[in-house]
Amino acid sequence: AQKITQTQPGMFVQEKEAVTLDCTYDTSDPSYGLFWYKQPSSGEMIFLIYQGSYDQQNATEGRYSLNFQKARKSANLVISASQLGDSAMYFCAMSPGTGGFKTIFGAGTRLFVKA
Amino acid sequence: GAVVSQHPSWVICKSGTSVKIECRSLDFQATTMFWYRQFPKQSLMLMATSNEGSKATYEQGVEKDKFLINHASLTLSTLTVTSAHPEDSSFYICSARDFRQKNTEAFFGQGTRLTVV
Repeated sequence: AQKITQTQPGMFVQEKEAVTLDCTYDTSDPSYGLFWYKQPSSGEMIFLIYQGSYDQQNATEGRYSLNFQKARKSANLVISASQLGDSAMYFCAMSPGTGGFKTIFGAGTRLFVKA
Repeated sequence: GAVVSQHPSWVICKSGTSVKIECRSLDFQATTMFWYRQFPKQSLMLMATSNEGSKATYEQGVEKDKFLINHASLTLSTLTVTSAHPEDSSFYICSARDFRQKNTEAFFGQGTRLTVV
């Protein structure tokens, strides 16, 4: 069975500091994709970053980087230089290689950025 | 990134009536769309996978006669909540994938907040 686990219901970070949001996953598929999405209070889902299971290097997108440790089945999101606008809900997600590419989500982590 | 438009963004309906939610991919062809439901402060729960031209595949525990899904074209999928009741009140959100791209992100609609009174 595929599963995404986010163990931090809430996180606080000081503005301009870096923060790491944890994510572990479980799948038996050799090929899969890992994603992070941001959901502000408006409800929209904003794609942040993607990591393929066969990618050799960790993905980076601006201030976002994904710390991919395949053997440990973890895909932590690192946000550098936090901004007040980063306060939102963050979801880790996985799309197994089989199953029609459906995406399953973790429980989410609410990030609060303090001024 | 690609654009997925979901309509309406919010709707209030009376108990016992049906509500239709539309999900359109505006600038790409989506052979597959996904419908999710999200309760307050909870994660997105996949309801069903909608494939163009065929019947939707529902997740375990989701009533297919309650949540009717139609995917008549490569750019449009609809979710109809039939005989809505207050417990159906929730945030519904669709996503779509570009069939030409594997393992890229799913693009989400803006979501629909349904309130049944």
